[in-house]
Amino acid sequence: AQSVTQPDIHITVSEGASLELRCNYSYGATPYLFWYVQSPGQGLQLLLKYFSGDTLVQGIKGFEAEFKRSQSSFNLRKPSVHWSDAAEYFCAVGLYGGSQGNLIFGKGTKLSVKP
Amino acid sequence: DAGVTQSPTHLIKTRGQQVTLRCSPKSGHDTVSWYQQALGQGPQFIFQYYEEEERQRGNFPDRFSGHQFPNYSSELNVNALLLGDSALYLCASSLPGRIAKNIQYFGAGTRLSVL
Repeated sequence: AQSVTQPDIHITVSEGASLELRCNYSYGATPYLFWYVQSPGQGLQLLLKYFSGDTLVQGIKGFEAEFKRSQSSFNLRKPSVHWSDAAEYFCAVGLYGGSQGNLIFGKGTKLSVKP
Repeated sequence: DAGVTQSPTHLIKTRGQQVTLRCSPKSGHDTVSWYQQALGQGPQFIFQYYEEEERQRGNFPDRFSGHQFPNYSSELNVNALLLGDSALYLCASSLPGRIAKNIQYFGAGTRLSVL
């Protein structure tokens, strides 16, 4: 069955430090890939998406993600974290065929930012 | 441009009751998906509506049902509520199409508490 794994439940970084959030997926082909962010009491905001082509994807708020087919990974990065980036981050995959539009989410990584 | 709007924001019900949650999609979107997000988990796909019909369904019992109206808004109904139905219910909207329906925009959600 298809699945998404986010190995880190909680990460704390200092403001201004770099960030990398990990995401691995299990699927027979290359799925569509997404990162969403959820602030407390809010819905999910789409940060970036990958469908095909260039494996380095730029998103909003200075985030980027790199797709690595050989590792079935889609890690999220930011060179310099701001206090406002504290939130929960979800990796998701979208599937081909009959399940299109059925996004499968990881369990999320909570990001805390130290001043 | 209004985003995805959901009502109510919070809801408290008792076991065995029935509940209806409402969603208005983003302007120009005609596909609506519903997700359940339990505490500490990622969202789980419930079902998707397009052209007033349920197009896909996740692994949820028949107690969960929905409807889409001609103006593309949607309702999620849950009958015979269980304690385990307590969660944040998220609505997402998208454009139709093989790739487009994977690009989903989420509302802030309805927090349902079942006592």
